[in-house]
Amino acid sequence: AQSVTQLGSHVSVSEGALVLLRCNYSSSVPPYLFWYVQYPNQGLQLLLKYTSAATLVKGINGFEAEFKKSETSFHLTKPSAHMSDAAEYFCAVSVNTGKLIFGQGTTLQVKP
Amino acid sequence: GAGVSQSPRYKVTKRGQDVALRCDPISGHVSLYWYRQALGQGPEFLTYFNYEAQQDKSGLPNDRFSAERPEGSISTLTIQRTEQRDSAMYRCASSSNRGTNEKLFFGSGTQLSVL
Repeated sequence: AQSVTQLGSHVSVSEGALVLLRCNYSSSVPPYLFWYVQYPNQGLQLLLKYTSAATLVKGINGFEAEFKKSETSFHLTKPSAHMSDAAEYFCAVSVNTGKLIFGQGTTLQVKP
Repeated sequence: GAGVSQSPRYKVTKRGQDVALRCDPISGHVSLYWYRQALGQGPEFLTYFNYEAQQDKSGLPNDRFSAERPEGSISTLTIQRTEQRDSAMYRCASSSNRGTNEKLFFGSGTQLSVL
């Protein structure tokens, strides 16, 4: 069975600071990994996805994530936080269907 | 429309009543998914369809929950004899094909409150 653990339900950074949101996964077979973002009163939007083509994945809005098999991690980073990045972020894993298993989410707060 | 549309946006019902939640996916999208999201949690898979065929319903909590997509487009999630524990945000998503790494497009959800 697959699972995802997001470390830290709330992360607070200052505007311009590095953003690091942590995600660890469990899967018995090579996984597909995703990060989705959810803004208030909106649906989830795909930020980026890992599909084994490259371990460093670049997404929208300056976000990127690195797949580390040895650490079973897929942490999300952005060099410089912007106020508009404040949202809830979800890491997800899938294996052999489009069915996604989501983590519990991390709320990112960006302080001016 | 351009995106996934869900209706109603909010539904308040009394315990024991049946509710039907509607999802209109992006035109031409093959796959349609239903998720349930409790407050402070990530979305939890319920069921999904490829065209009109229900491929996986392993996430449906019990037999009070059912879903259909009779013509391979609009889908309805029905909850019979609702209970307070059914209160949650119900989200629908669609994707353009059946691939395992395809991007899901999510609707804004239906917030269900069972009193």
